[in-house]
Amino acid sequence: GESVGLHLPTLSVQEGDNSIINCAYSNSASDYFIWYKQESGKGPQFIIDIRSNMDKRQGQRVTVLLNKTVKHLSLQIAATQPGDSAVYFCAENTGSSYKLIFGSGTRLLVRP
Amino acid sequence: GAVVSQHPSWVICKSGTSVKIECRSLDFQATTMFWYRQFPKQSLMLMATSNEGSKATYEQGVEKDKFLINHASLTLSTLTVTSAHPEDSSFYICSARGDRDNQPQHFGDGTRLSIL
Repeated sequence: GESVGLHLPTLSVQEGDNSIINCAYSNSASDYFIWYKQESGKGPQFIIDIRSNMDKRQGQRVTVLLNKTVKHLSLQIAATQPGDSAVYFCAENTGSSYKLIFGSGTRLLVRP
Repeated sequence: GAVVSQHPSWVICKSGTSVKIECRSLDFQATTMFWYRQFPKQSLMLMATSNEGSKATYEQGVEKDKFLINHASLTLSTLTVTSAHPEDSSFYICSARGDRDNQPQHFGDGTRLSIL
């Protein structure tokens, strides 16, 4: 369902290190998953997506892993840069309505 | 990549007025558009789904007479907050998708609405 929270979990990493952001999704019938990045005062920006028939998908500096057994999704960012600082949301889609259910988000802070 | 434009980006108005927010898909035809609301430090909450040429489908708890949605063309959807009050102050974000399966939604940059 929808997530509501007053405080976003925060991940702080050193510039150049790898980052791993985790997400637990709610519906075992979800078949499409997306990671979005949201910078302050802006709308979410598409990063990478994955279908339920895949376990892993790679993009430029990013990798998404999907574990359907435990309903877990992760986003790995290689060589994290200051520009990666933002809030990251996972989103799941179930069925043909194309509606997305968003996770609660994780704030990524990159230390110089 | 797909571009979604939202206007205005920021609006301040008096309580009781109505505010219209536009969402345009600039380089693709948006079969479906979505409207979200986001409070500070929270996730996006889907308000309604809008299909071109048909009535919007509202999520539970969202007043359709309060938040009027029009999707008259494949590139434009509007959200009108009627008789806005301070509790309607929020960040409103639209998204759009094309007509192929498993396409990601592309988001506008949001509208910050402040009702005095």
